[in-house]
Amino acid sequence: GAVVSQHPSRVICKSGTSVKIECRSLDFQATTMFWYRQFPKQSLMLMATSNEGSKATYEQGVEKDKFLINHASLTLSTLTVTSAHPEDSSFYICSARADKYTAGGKAADTQYFGPGTRLTVL
Amino acid sequence: LAKTTQPISMDSYEGQEVNITCSHNNIATNDYITWYQQFPSQGPRFIIQGYKTKVTNEVASLFIPADRKSSTLSLPRVSLSDTAVYYCLVGGGYNKLIFGAGTRLAVHP
Repeated sequence: GAVVSQHPSRVICKSGTSVKIECRSLDFQATTMFWYRQFPKQSLMLMATSNEGSKATYEQGVEKDKFLINHASLTLSTLTVTSAHPEDSSFYICSARADKYTAGGKAADTQYFGPGTRLTVL
Repeated sequence: LAKTTQPISMDSYEGQEVNITCSHNNIATNDYITWYQQFPSQGPRFIIQGYKTKVTNEVASLFIPADRKSSTLSLPRVSLSDTAVYYCLVGGGYNKLIFGAGTRLAVHP
């Protein structure tokens, strides 16, 4: 199946610091990637849509200046949580949508998810 | 965006077939139906995707009636390792996916 990686898998930081999370599609190209947040026992909540070479589109209620997203290439998107606070502690998950004509056998236009990043802000 | 409705939870026993039905009454013409499986502290894993009729792969089958207003994920002969949350999503093309609550499946010995 399609492989999406995230780094780091878990991070602990002090309040006020910034944390960067990387999301990579390893065996397919993804013009579009998505970032989700998931709190314990809850479903995934979409934060933003990241398009290669353009600005991200944020969901209502998500602060774009706090959650900086960069999608510099067809295989890499990054999420930076700036000035993190304890309430930002959560499980962050990215997904990459396999481009229709470069899917390489993957289900086209399907989102494949990374393993997630556990962020703990002290 | 098409909204989906699934049972909150289901229980089964090892070796049984499990069918999880999802309702999506306002599915759009170009929407696909995709099912994901999620274990605790892991990202969702793609299970199966379909548009109409029946789709089968090595782990599951997906049944979609002609009106496409519902779909059923069928897991043959479940094992303890199939205990997870299962999400049904509808969308396609460049539409974003909105996750519902999912179905918590518990498989018992």
